[in-house]
Amino acid sequence: QQPVQSPQAVILREGEDAVINCSSSKALYSVHWYRQKHGEAPVFLMILLKGGEQKGHEKISASFNEKKQQSSLYLTASQLSYSGTYFCGTEGSGGSNYKLTFGKGTLLTVNP
Amino acid sequence: KAGVTQTPRYLIKTRGQQVTLSCSPISGHRSVSWYQQTPGQGLQFLFEYFSETQRNKGNFPGRFSGRQFSNSRSEMNVSTLELGDSALYLCASSLAAGPTYEQYFGPGTRLTVT
Repeated sequence: QQPVQSPQAVILREGEDAVINCSSSKALYSVHWYRQKHGEAPVFLMILLKGGEQKGHEKISASFNEKKQQSSLYLTASQLSYSGTYFCGTEGSGGSNYKLTFGKGTLLTVNP
Repeated sequence: KAGVTQTPRYLIKTRGQQVTLSCSPISGHRSVSWYQQTPGQGLQFLFEYFSETQRNKGNFPGRFSGRQFSNSRSEMNVSTLELGDSALYLCASSLAAGPTYEQYFGPGTRLTVT
């Protein structure tokens, strides 16, 4: 089942902060975050695993609430380069035989 | 290290035809996943291959199929194309299969069905 992302779109001025949420109705083992700029391929940002392990870019901050099946991506002191569509991908098995189910994305626009 | 490459980048086909898309993963990566991206639905999982075996499949009709070769290169095929198949098809490779491995996406193949 597709996770729900909120908000669908957000507009910021450079230097402002934003939070993007990802919510699932199913138990999760991991949440993956990607950013896609217009006309480009999605780029990996972070993986959050059940149990608290995280893997990703140092400048990216995120949280994973296993009980609520929710994850949030925190973008602080936004830069113009943060603009793009952010996708969360979720999976519940934890095993090697898994598939990521992506949300519909959150469009982030950072203006000067 | 070269990234994920996909060929062709753009394709125009007519309804009823079939199409084959190709994906070359990053050297050393053994898992390849395919996604369909449309404006309304976002990224939808098609299937994933690891060591030439399809390990998982999304909710797509049997017209969508794929395979992986011994060098990890992968192809996907869509037969009897429909207008609704118009989309960006992305492949992603990862070092191994498992939720702890990040995926590296290719630039995609833009398929237009007329």
